[in-house]
Amino acid sequence: EPEVTQTPSHQVTQMGQEVILRCVPISNHLYFYWYRQILGQKVEFLVSFYNNEISEKSEIFDDQFSVERPDGSNFTLKIRSTKLEDSAMYFCASNIEGQPQHFGDGTRLSIL
Amino acid sequence: GEDVEQSLFLSVREGDSSVINCTYTDSSSTYLYWYKQEPGAGLQLLTYIFSNMDMKQDQRLTVLLNKKDKHLSLRIADTQTGDSAIYFCAESPNSGYSTLTFGKGTMLLVSP
Repeated sequence: EPEVTQTPSHQVTQMGQEVILRCVPISNHLYFYWYRQILGQKVEFLVSFYNNEISEKSEIFDDQFSVERPDGSNFTLKIRSTKLEDSAMYFCASNIEGQPQHFGDGTRLSIL
Repeated sequence: GEDVEQSLFLSVREGDSSVINCTYTDSSSTYLYWYKQEPGAGLQLLTYIFSNMDMKQDQRLTVLLNKKDKHLSLRIADTQTGDSAIYFCAESPNSGYSTLTFGKGTMLLVSP
């Protein structure tokens, strides 16, 4: 069964550094998402992406965050200047119309 | 805004049935989902139900929806130790690029 794949599985970064989290959505999917889960808390929506542009974003997704689909397969989340509070598990998801979202295994981001 | 509530913990014995409950506030919720998260892993879609249904059965899983009370439940028959995980209820108003709103998750512990 096709899967959403995310790399790396764990990223450790110094505060203030830029980080890029990578995702390969399921190949025929058209809608892409990033969510995050701070340890012990709810999974929270960050951003959705369709037709090469952001469809919707939450309050969390401020100017420090950006998303990109640089080629036909990858979907990336960039955090420009990381803060301690960015430490979380970041999940990528994808779907097509009428179908549920499928999630990757996540990237655990640790900011030191 | 939308809110999804779940009880935080459920403990059962192997072979018993488990019932995990969820309530939601958004009356426009059209799709309701159950995701499973094992330790250190991603979010695995278990099952989902449309708001025009009141029940869906899939092998050991039964989902019941009371739309009037905005109450969703997941019943796992013959619960196994491998079912121990966190179960997330989530809702969305449509199936396109819509965001998912998650509950905090119910930790299910199955003892032998």
